[in-house]
Amino acid sequence: AQSVTQPDIHITVSEGASLELRCNYSYGATPYLFWYVQSPGQGLQLLLKYFSGDTLVQGIKGFEAEFKRSQSSFNLRKPSVHWSDAAEYFCAVGAGKTASKLTFGTGTRLQVTL
Amino acid sequence: NAGVMQNPRHLVRRRGQEARLRCSPMKGHSHVYWYRQLPEEGLKFMVYLQKENIIDESGMPKERFSAEFPKEGPSILRIQQVVRGDSAAYFCASSPGSSGNTIYFGEGSWLTVV
Repeated sequence: AQSVTQPDIHITVSEGASLELRCNYSYGATPYLFWYVQSPGQGLQLLLKYFSGDTLVQGIKGFEAEFKRSQSSFNLRKPSVHWSDAAEYFCAVGAGKTASKLTFGTGTRLQVTL
Repeated sequence: NAGVMQNPRHLVRRRGQEARLRCSPMKGHSHVYWYRQLPEEGLKFMVYLQKENIIDESGMPKERFSAEFPKEGPSILRIQQVVRGDSAAYFCASSPGSSGNTIYFGEGSWLTVV
C-alpha cells in the first residue's frame, strides 16, 4: 500500500527566506506525485504535479519540486517566501495510472514571520 | 469554467440527524471523488464514482455512509444518524477521466455535529 510522510508538522520561516518542505513516499511503481496548498477554511489548490519526464517540476506561485527516485522523495521548494504563502501544504501520491485515489501526507503548516 | 462546487459550505447537525452534502463536478468531468479531512489530519479517500456507478468505495465507513452520482444532478454524500466523530471537512474532487488525470478539489463542506 502506498503511503506519504511529511516529517515536519510545523515550519516557520522569515519572509524572503528560502523554503523546503519534505515529502517521502512509499509506492511500488512509478508514482504520480502532487503538492497541494490549503489556506484556513478553504479547499485545496494544486501547486504542481509529477507524472513522468523531467524530475524538476515547476508549479504556480514560484514553487518547484524535485522527484528523487533513489530517495523516494518529492520535496517542495521556493527560493523566497512571501507572507501570503502561510498555509498548510500537503504532499500526495496517486496509485499507478489512476492518478485519482490519492494518499495524502498529514501536512506541514507553514508560518511566515515578517 | 466553474470549478468543483460544493454545498452547503457549512452544516450543523444534531447527533442522530442526517447530513447530505452535494457536489457538482467541473464541466466536462465525469469522475467524482469524496475525501474526508478530520481535524489536524490529512485528507483520506472515501469513494470514487462515475455517473450512476460506484467504482471504489474502499474508504467508506461500513455503516451510515453512502454516496451516489446520478445521471442527472450532483453527487451526494449522505451520512445517516450522525455522531460527533463525523465532524470533519468533506471534500469533493473531479476529473475528466481516471488515467493520468489531475483531480481538482472543491472548497469543502464543513460538518459539525453537536
